[in-house]
Amino acid sequence: GQQVMQIPQYQHVQEGEDFTTYCNSSTTLSNIQWYKQRPGGHPVFLIQLVKSGEVKKQKRLTFQFGEAKKNSSLHITATQTTDVGTYFCAVTYNTDKLIFGTGTRLQVFP
Amino acid sequence: EPEVTQTPSHQVTQMGQEVILRCVPISNHLYFYWYRQILGQKVEFLVSFYNNEISEKSEIFDDQFSVERPDGSNFTLKIRSTKLEDSAMYFCASGRLAGDNEQFFGPGTRLTVL
Repeated sequence: GQQVMQIPQYQHVQEGEDFTTYCNSSTTLSNIQWYKQRPGGHPVFLIQLVKSGEVKKQKRLTFQFGEAKKNSSLHITATQTTDVGTYFCAVTYNTDKLIFGTGTRLQVFP
Repeated sequence: EPEVTQTPSHQVTQMGQEVILRCVPISNHLYFYWYRQILGQKVEFLVSFYNNEISEKSEIFDDQFSVERPDGSNFTLKIRSTKLEDSAMYFCASGRLAGDNEQFFGPGTRLTVL
């Protein structure tokens, strides 16, 4: 079946440091979505990327879709304690079934 | 801002019992989903539902599971005879459009099977 891997599994950073999580698919994607899940919370949609090589920014967050549409990254500049949570990429393969990545849990120390 | 709601927030049941998890999707959404998340693991798709029928289901969604939209607002997930391994957080989600679009997740129901 389709596999969506994320690295790293965990990341601990000092507040103010940058953070990046990477998402890799075994097959070419039609699009990729990113979700954030706070501890004890539910997934909350952040963004969707559709085009090859696409880069989108949301304040301190930068999302990138690979040229081959098989990988993506989420970069947070100057992390804050409010960034704590697990970041999941999620993909679809010509249906609306979301296949979630394994997630990267971010911990930010003040 | 409209949101997906789920009840109960926590359900404890004995193995072999039936449970019904309830969801109220966002009112103008047409596509509905159930996902589950075992503690500490990733979110897994269970089933999608559109136009009063299942559009897709995963291998997890076996004969013990069923979904229903009984009255045009509620969307329910029933597990007929719960097993220990059904213990997880169950999230309902809804979407306005089909295909590759944002899904709005509810707060989840934590199911504990003893």
